[in-house]
Amino acid sequence: GESVGLHLPTLSVQEGDNSIINCAYSNSASDYFIWYKQESGKGPQFIIDIRSNMDKRQGQRVTVLLNKTVKHLSLQIAATQPGDSAVYFCAENMAYSGAGSYQLTFGKGTKLSVIP
Amino acid sequence: DGGITQSPKYLFRKEGQNVTLSCEQNLNHDAMYWYRQDPGQGLRLIYYSQIVNDFQKGDIAEGYSVSREKKESFPLTVTSAQKNPTAFYLCASKGQGLETQYFGPGTRLLVL
Repeated sequence: GESVGLHLPTLSVQEGDNSIINCAYSNSASDYFIWYKQESGKGPQFIIDIRSNMDKRQGQRVTVLLNKTVKHLSLQIAATQPGDSAVYFCAENMAYSGAGSYQLTFGKGTKLSVIP
Repeated sequence: DGGITQSPKYLFRKEGQNVTLSCEQNLNHDAMYWYRQDPGQGLRLIYYSQIVNDFQKGDIAEGYSVSREKKESFPLTVTSAQKNPTAFYLCASKGQGLETQYFGPGTRLLVL
């Protein structure tokens, strides 16, 4: 049977609408953030990143917003398409992670479903 | 998936058996990582290697072993000591001085 925590938050949007996916990060010392897209059965794919000295960064159809005051990150996808259906998760990186290696801490993700 | 390959795509393990998952990259990246992904959970770090012939335990290293004899290769062995090995295993790599990790396509390990 299933255990607690199996179900990811889900966001359903109509094709053509904009999507906003949110992420609360844990460490105020984190200085670099990444959004990944993971399609079913595949490895995560890099979408966009942002450094802590920025509030906003835009890519092709995607925008990442960073609010350091409340430790919140969001990913906006413009004109959402069926191909955008996937799990999206954020990752944060502290400048130093103890062992001298830059390590990422990953969120659990949000499942985006696009309704045709 | 870039220049990172993982094989096999599916792997079946029998009770008491050790199995090895392959990860190869042609990106000339120094650092390589192994993660485990379970449904509804974030990625958990098993082992990482910053340089050839050196590797460090991550958060859930028990029951796993790795080697880093070549820059391009970072195989992961799931030993019989890992009692709950069923999961999706992801390999990643990162260039020196950079922070973004790039992932391979993953290997799904199932227990017979």
